[in-house]
Amino acid sequence: GAVVSQHPSWVICKSGTSVKIECRSLDFQATTMFWYRQFPKQSLMLMATSNEGSKATYEQGVEKDKFLINHASLTLSTLTVTSAHPEDSSFYICSATDIDTGELFFGEGSRLTVL
Amino acid sequence: GQQLNQSPQSMFIQEGEDVSMNCTSSSIFNTWLWYKQDPGEGPVLLIALYKAGELTSNGRLTAQFGITRKDSFLNISASIPSDVGIYFCAGQAGWANTGFQKLVFGTGTRLLVSP
Repeated sequence: GAVVSQHPSWVICKSGTSVKIECRSLDFQATTMFWYRQFPKQSLMLMATSNEGSKATYEQGVEKDKFLINHASLTLSTLTVTSAHPEDSSFYICSATDIDTGELFFGEGSRLTVL
Repeated sequence: GQQLNQSPQSMFIQEGEDVSMNCTSSSIFNTWLWYKQDPGEGPVLLIALYKAGELTSNGRLTAQFGITRKDSFLNISASIPSDVGIYFCAGQAGWANTGFQKLVFGTGTRLLVSP
């Protein structure tokens, strides 16, 4: 079946540094990908919609300058958490929509821990 | 951001028992989805519902899309230990720029199954 891969699956960084998380659709093309954040024991909250070749659309309350999204190709979207702080520690999950079938697939998630 | 209300929040049952959980919203949705999430992983789609009143089964799982389009339930029959996990409902809240799904997730139901 279709697979969406995230990398890294987990990362630990120091406060103030930037971290990049990749989301790749492995066997399909995706013009639209979505980024979610999930805090422990909570639900997935949509952060932004990543559109290939154009600017991402951010949900209310999500700082676009802090969470930089780049969707440079039909198979890759990246989320960069800039100047990370401990409160940014979370599980970040992406999903991608197959351009041909419209099916939506989720990545395995990336756990970010900021010390 | 918007969330769907799920109940119960958690359930602890014996293997072999049937389970029922539901999801409600103040808004109308065109699509309802049920996902299961294992610890440290992304959500996996269980059942998708596209029409009001629709009743769909997937093995031991049965889900229904409420007539009012504001609720859905998921039943699991004859539970087994591997059913353990967090179950999320998700509703299609609107369309991303390209016309693909933009999901709102429920608050989750944590299921524990005792052998």
